Amino acid sequence: GAGVSQSPSNKVTEKGKDVELRCDPISGHTALYWYRQSLGQGLEFLIYFQGNSAPDKSGLPSDRFSAERTGGSVSTLTIQRTQQEDSAVYLCASSISYGEREQYFGPGTRLTVT
Amino acid sequence: GESVGLHLPTLSVQEGDNSIINCAYSNSASDYFIWYKQESGKGPQFIIDIRSNMDKRQGQRVTVLLNKTVKHLSLQIAATQPGDSAVYFCAENIGGTGANNLFFGTGTRLTVIP
Repeated sequence: GAGVSQSPSNKVTEKGKDVELRCDPISGHTALYWYRQSLGQGLEFLIYFQGNSAPDKSGLPSDRFSAERTGGSVSTLTIQRTQQEDSAVYLCASSISYGEREQYFGPGTRLTVT
Repeated sequence: GESVGLHLPTLSVQEGDNSIINCAYSNSASDYFIWYKQESGKGPQFIIDIRSNMDKRQGQRVTVLLNKTVKHLSLQIAATQPGDSAVYFCAENIGGTGANNLFFGTGTRLTVIP
């Protein structure tokens, strides 16, 4: 079956603009995760969804970041008023259920803020 | 957050040789560890995991060794192949099964020389 997909694969935006990143998890996976991977850094956990709810938003770097998930499937990560330090690869992963340690990652969206 | 480090940022091996990638962790309460492989332009891929009550676990061509005394984890790849070229990083799980309990290292780039 299809794996996790993300779009766009690359996004270049000007500082101050808003961006939306999309994640399509594996069908039937109830848990969905967003991570950020900056150059030379380990994966940074941002937020997870169990179904459509996100119980813990403490990993989001600032209030410019938000995420939603509808229908228990597709999720969007929105970054408002982008800053240069937001430049990174944003990875989405899904798992059968929350707490299932084997997560399946998408290819990521490379965001460059100029 | 917790940091998980790697001894070597890059590793080059000849095709057919064995590879050993190391990871040091800092939290003695870590109860679970995962190794990921990340090829260029792709998301991380789960390779193998090990619980803290084990010293060794074997998969297909890979072996993970855990030394809790010195808080050291290693990934051994037997008969390394060109397709093994990637960044490998470890993750440690601390205190729960949530995504925000998983902390990732920065990675070692493995290059296999044909």
